Amino acid sequence: LAKTTQPISMDSYEGQEVNITCSHNNIATNDYITWYQQFPSQGPRFIIQGYKTKVTNEVASLFIPADRKSSTLSLPRVSLSDTAVYYCLVVFNAGKSTFGDGTTLTVKP
Amino acid sequence: GAGVSQSPRYKVAKRGQDVALRCDPISGHVSLFWYQQALGQGPEFLTYFQNEAQLDKSGLPSDRFFAERPEGSVSTLKIQRTQQEDSAVYLCASSSSGQGYYEQYFGPGTRLTVT
Repeated sequence: LAKTTQPISMDSYEGQEVNITCSHNNIATNDYITWYQQFPSQGPRFIIQGYKTKVTNEVASLFIPADRKSSTLSLPRVSLSDTAVYYCLVVFNAGKSTFGDGTTLTVKP
Repeated sequence: GAGVSQSPRYKVAKRGQDVALRCDPISGHVSLFWYQQALGQGPEFLTYFQNEAQLDKSGLPSDRFFAERPEGSVSTLKIQRTQQEDSAVYLCASSSSGQGYYEQYFGPGTRLTVT
């Protein structure tokens, strides 16, 4: 399984754009890159997924360079409610996913 | 619509007791996953079902852990002779496809405390 590495924590202020980068040097051809968000006492919640280049949805963007060895989750104009743990995953076709320890994002007023 | 539900939400067991944790996935979802999450860490994969078939159980930490999904819907994770190191939140997730890279929908988890 490809192992992911991401910063342990990040701080930001309301209204700023936040970029969280994840490295996954051993990513395989069939792997997808997926990001989840988790609040305390809740299960993780899907944010976005991509294979290459750029993906955008209503809450985030995901940038993946051509070599796919890293990816960047971009959260535009964060609010206090975006304070959470963010996980980068490399997902196999077979179903097994490795979460890692995530990045704790703290948004300050 | 109903999401993934898990019961009980909290369970306290004395060391050596057996426990059973239940997961009700979203109706019609093919895939079901179990994860273990220790305090301050990310979820660790335990096992994966596609319908009633357990396709991957490589993450189960010992033979005291057993999971089943006999009719391809509800799943039960059973832990025999619980130990203190089994204390964690146990998360269940389901997915609409048999392909692993589809979005997983998580339940709220069962917090197990072994005393």
